[in-house]
Amino acid sequence: QVQLQESGPGLVKPSETLSLTCTISGSFINTGYFWGWIRQPPGKGLEWIGSIYHNGRTFNNPSLESRVSISVDTSKNQFSLNLTSVTAADTAVYFCARPVVRGLAARAFEIWGQGAMVTVSS
Amino acid sequence: EIVLTQSPGTLSLSPGERATLSCRASPSVSNNYIAWYQQKPGQAPRLLIYGASSRATGIPDRFSGSGSGTDFTLTISRLEPEDFAVFYCQHYDGSLKYTFGQGTKLEIK
Repeated sequence: QVQLQESGPGLVKPSETLSLTCTISGSFINTGYFWGWIRQPPGKGLEWIGSIYHNGRTFNNPSLESRVSISVDTSKNQFSLNLTSVTAADTAVYFCARPVVRGLAARAFEIWGQGAMVTVSS
Repeated sequence: EIVLTQSPGTLSLSPGERATLSCRASPSVSNNYIAWYQQKPGQAPRLLIYGASSRATGIPDRFSGSGSGTDFTLTISRLEPEDFAVFYCQHYDGSLKYTFGQGTKLEIK
């Protein structure tokens, strides 16, 4: 079955760039889905960060647009998140996920990674 | 911008009882692309319902979703011990933008 796994540093210094990668197994990235990133600060709710198609087309949350960059590496079956100029408010569990429906009809996220905790602290 | 408000914040019920969770959208949503997730501590969210009323793969039929416009409901017909968790609603605008509600905690009474 399809599985997603987040990887990256668990600790990032303020003002630096948070970088995470999501590796897909059991499927291929070029199967028509808009793969997504979602985060959850400790004890708080969920926030969609952005989504990417296998051709590199991206859609980002307007509230994070200026700091977010999402990219894809089809040869490695991975997609990645970069979040620049981080502060303590960016401390969260970061999830990668796949929607239930292909294309722009995505609707909701059906398959999730286990999540990666990232702490922003000096 | 769609704002989703979930109520109640906390719902205390016993196994076997019926649970009704609310998600109110402002302004009204025209596409009924409302989803519901269940999240247990330390786990990723689990998709229960999408498109307001379609059950996701493998979800028991005691979970059902309904609603349109501004008011959406997740109903759990008879609570099982494993159902207690935090539940989130989510809207998708059809153009790659997602918004989540703040969550409802369903706890054992």
